[in-house]
Amino acid sequence: AQSVAQPEDQVNVAEGNPLTVKCTYSVSGNPYLFWYVQYPNRGLQFLLKYITGDNLVKGSYGFEAEFNKSQTSFHLKKPSALVSDSALYFCAVRGDNAGNMLTFGGGTRLMVKP
Amino acid sequence: GAGVSQSPRYKVTKRGQDVALRCDPISGHVSLYWYRQALGQGPEFLTYFNYEAQQDKSGLPNDRFSAERPEGSISTLTIQRTEQRDSAMYRCASSSAGGATDTQYFGPGTRLTVL
Repeated sequence: AQSVAQPEDQVNVAEGNPLTVKCTYSVSGNPYLFWYVQYPNRGLQFLLKYITGDNLVKGSYGFEAEFNKSQTSFHLKKPSALVSDSALYFCAVRGDNAGNMLTFGGGTRLMVKP
Repeated sequence: GAGVSQSPRYKVTKRGQDVALRCDPISGHVSLYWYRQALGQGPEFLTYFNYEAQQDKSGLPNDRFSAERPEGSISTLTIQRTEQRDSAMYRCASSSAGGATDTQYFGPGTRLTVL
């Protein structure tokens, strides 16, 4: 079975400061990891994914994520937060021998204050 | 280009009624997925198709739930004899191929409320 944990229900950060949204995972086989963002009344939007290769993945809107195999983590980061980054963020995993379903974490609400 | 579309966006029904939720994937996408998202939680897998073939329906909660994609494009998720516990956001996604590394692109969802 595969699982994802997002240990923080909410992350608060001041505009201009760096942000980190945490994600850890459990999967059999090689992990494929994804981050999605959900704005109010809108669907899930794809941000970035890790498949293989460089552990630092860059994605949309200045976000990046670092894959750490030994810690089974895939934390989402951004060097300088914007108020418009405030949204709900979901981490998801898919194992290479666990079918094609994505398993999502419970989500982390990011609040960026001016 | 057009993304994944779903209809209706909102559906309110009475307990015991049947509902049909529609998903129109990105043109040319081979794979189509259905997820259900309860309030305050992440999406949970229901079922998925490659072309018209249903590849995995292990996430369907019981036999009141069914899905089809008869021509390999539009898909319908049907819930028979709805119950209040079926109330949730139902999300559809599509991907260009069925590989484990392919990105799934999500539609806006259908918010189902069962009274």
